[in-house]
Amino acid sequence: NAGVTQTPKFQVLKTGQSMTLQCAQDMNHEYMSWYRQDPGMGLRLIHYSVGAGITDQGEVPNGYNVSRSTTEDFPLRLLSAAPSQTSVYFCASSASNYGYTFGSGTRLTVV
Amino acid sequence: QQPVQSPQAVILREGEDAVINCSSSKALYSVHWYRQKHGEAPVFLMILLKGGEQKGHEKISASFNEKKQQSSLYLTASQLSYSGTYFCGRFTGNQFYFGTGTSLTVIP
Repeated sequence: NAGVTQTPKFQVLKTGQSMTLQCAQDMNHEYMSWYRQDPGMGLRLIHYSVGAGITDQGEVPNGYNVSRSTTEDFPLRLLSAAPSQTSVYFCASSASNYGYTFGSGTRLTVV
Repeated sequence: QQPVQSPQAVILREGEDAVINCSSSKALYSVHWYRQKHGEAPVFLMILLKGGEQKGHEKISASFNEKKQQSSLYLTASQLSYSGTYFCGRFTGNQFYFGTGTSLTVIP
């Protein structure tokens, strides 16, 4: 099925560990973004990309890195996990002037 | 940066109508609307481009007034399946920001 695939769906990390959240889309969309969603905080933009090789920071980029070597993939790396990064993470993609298609999300708990 | 939505929450009985407002302090060139059900990812409903156009999706429609930097989402004859959190959203340059969200609950 066409869409945005995120892995893993659930993850528990210890403080200080690093990990990569995977995101892949098969719709040839140029725009891809990572959001985190915390209770009562809505969706906040972490990083985004407008094409392969082009990434930039959003509202809350600290503690996260991204890269986009291909149109399809946009992984999010947590450098040194902190309890404040406990959240639900969504990857989304879109073509210009179209709506975003979201992945199913990753529920991350940092203990 | 984040558009502000009102009301924050609303409870409706099946068949009633509702209006959700989205207001931006920055210029709006287009507005997106999404619905997120509990425990799920947001789902795109519609996009409105400059020109005051109105679009529809099932019994859900929206309007966009770029001069007032506002958009409104209209839910007509609400159904139980309309329950969820509704977000508007807008681009600033290449960054896409979601609104503060409106929780809508439809009860029998």
